Amino acid sequence: QVQLQESGPGLVKPSQTLSLTCTVSGGSISSGSYYWSWIRQPAGKGLEWIGRIYTSGSTNYNPSLKSRVTISVDTSKNQFSLKLSSVTAADTAVYYCARDRYSGYDFRYWGQGTLVTVSS
Amino acid sequence: DIQMTQSPSSLSASVGDRVTITCQASQDISNYLNWYQQKPGKAPKLLIYDASNLETGVPSRFSGSGSGTDFTFTISSLQPEDIATYYCQQYDNLLPFTFGPGTKVDIK
Repeated sequence: QVQLQESGPGLVKPSQTLSLTCTVSGGSISSGSYYWSWIRQPAGKGLEWIGRIYTSGSTNYNPSLKSRVTISVDTSKNQFSLKLSSVTAADTAVYYCARDRYSGYDFRYWGQGTLVTVSS
Repeated sequence: DIQMTQSPSSLSASVGDRVTITCQASQDISNYLNWYQQKPGKAPKLLIYDASNLETGVPSRFSGSGSGTDFTFTISSLQPEDIATYYCQQYDNLLPFTFGPGTKVDIK
């Protein structure tokens, strides 16, 4: 059973870069044909897809965030990461990592989520 | 981006009631729609994929239907453990994936 766990600082200062890591267990991040995504949810609000990385390393980003987002993978650590630059209070949210079933179009496996607050 | 709307935004029903949630896309998305359940403080859980397919292990009281722009999610007999917020999500070929605003379901 695939399990995902987010980690990273819970507090980031405005204008700085938010950095999160998702550690995958129960399977190799480099095996199979899967998409590994980041999704966020401001408190009391809905879900926003941030972007994803494919097993091969190719990426897709939400155009609304594309200029600030980088998603990368470290197969040696079985992890993938999110970097979001120039953050503001509007980036305060619970951040989830997730993986699809196998189609690339859904999110079957989720991490528990990690709250990141942007504040000075 | 494809915009998703859901109605109602919240509902209150009795145990055993049939509950229906609708989701509408701003353009034709064929059957490229998923449904998720999110309980407070938890990550979303995939319930329905490709508009009408039940995810493995999900109780059969949950179902989905629709195609094009109009979709329906149904709980045939509401149970106390179904208290949650439900989201639709489209995956048309044109990224980004987008979610509906959610429907909060609670017990009357």
